[in-house]
Amino acid sequence: GQNIDQPTEMTATEGAIVQINCTYQTSGFNGLFWYQQHAGEAPTFLSYNVLDGLEEKGRFSSFLSRSKGYSYLLLKELQMKDSASYLCAVRVYDYKLSFGAGTTVTVRA
Amino acid sequence: DTGVSQDPRHKITKRGQNVTFRCDPISEHNRLYWYRQTLGQGPEFLTYFQNEAQLEKSRLLSDRFSAERPKGSFSTLEIQRTEQGDSAMYLCASSPRLAGYNEQFFGPGTRLTVL
Repeated sequence: GQNIDQPTEMTATEGAIVQINCTYQTSGFNGLFWYQQHAGEAPTFLSYNVLDGLEEKGRFSSFLSRSKGYSYLLLKELQMKDSASYLCAVRVYDYKLSFGAGTTVTVRA
Repeated sequence: DTGVSQDPRHKITKRGQNVTFRCDPISEHNRLYWYRQTLGQGPEFLTYFQNEAQLEKSRLLSDRFSAERPKGSFSTLEIQRTEQGDSAMYLCASSPRLAGYNEQFFGPGTRLTVL
């Protein structure tokens, strides 16, 4: 099975930076994904890492270390609209995603 | 709108009734996935199709659950003899063969409440 851990909640101030950590133990690892999910809505894709290192995409960056079973999502220049749940997901073999429980980020003015 | 669509968006039913949900994936996406999400948890994989072939079913999918994708386009998920524990958001996602099916695009979900 898969074991994916991420913090339950984080709070940060508008304009600040927040880093959401994710650790995983899985067999058949084939990529790590981050999704954003606003309350009552579908998850939307943010980033994908399959090799070690940092992937930058505008205000969002994601990092992966396969040897440590570790990833983080970095959100810069936080805006109120970034208040949402952030889901770490591991792709197993070539199809299914196994998700963590999500980290609820609250951005305060 | 060319995204993944699901119907209905909400379903309230009584325990013991059968329900069926529909998912229309993004056009020409070969793969279609079903997930279930309960409050405070991430989505859990249920099953997936490549074209019309159902290639994997989770152990979460009891015999009361069945999914089809008869023509390799839309899919249906049926739950027979619903139980209160089936109450959840049922999410459908699709992915294209391009870029190795890397990105799964999710639909808005069907929220099921079993009374």
